[in-house]
Amino acid sequence: DAGVTQSPTHLIKTRGQHVTLRCSPISGHKSVSWYQQVLGQGPQFIFQYYEKEERGRGNFPDRFSARQFPNYSSELNVNALLLGDSALYLCASSLLAWKPMNTEAFFGQGTRLTVV
Amino acid sequence: DAKTTQPTSMDCAEGRAANLPCNHSTISGNEYVYWYRQIHSQGPQYIIHGLKNNETNEMASLIITEDRKSSTLILPHATLRDTAVYYCIALYNNNDMRFGAGTRLTVKP
Repeated sequence: DAGVTQSPTHLIKTRGQHVTLRCSPISGHKSVSWYQQVLGQGPQFIFQYYEKEERGRGNFPDRFSARQFPNYSSELNVNALLLGDSALYLCASSLLAWKPMNTEAFFGQGTRLTVV
Repeated sequence: DAKTTQPTSMDCAEGRAANLPCNHSTISGNEYVYWYRQIHSQGPQYIIHGLKNNETNEMASLIITEDRKSSTLILPHATLRDTAVYYCIALYNNNDMRFGAGTRLTVKP
């Protein structure tokens, strides 16, 4: 079985541009979460989607948005890129979302975004 | 989610047990303790989780104190490939996993 797949693996963008990152969850998983990991720090929660609805949002500006499609894949969009948006963007999929936690999240390898 | 506290770094000799502590003194009764690790430049990898009882799987053992205020992840026979950052997380659901800085474990030959 394929794991969580993210595309692209690496991306270089210029300040002010827009970027779209993509994630395909493990087959059968309906929950997708997005995290930002700046160098030297732990991942920071951005969004969670479950059954195509937003179920959670972290402390990120409105420049960050996401959506989940009927096939449960997801896109993370970032507008008006800043140098500080340079980070590893991680996608995680899991079976359940807000129910009592008894299942793990599976992470993709991430998309390395560099803003110049 | 309850806040967790972990040492910044630890060393372990190859073949010996690695014991990684985590404090979660404000954990609530329905929050699980989860452990993930992240090897350089890869996505975090699930290791183990538990609520009250000690747990063991093919990767590690998790020992949770009776008052649930702390726990220890045990890698019974550490190898060089276990060198990674280990994150302890206390959470009720995976709506917002707060990773913190984790413990950087270095396994030395």
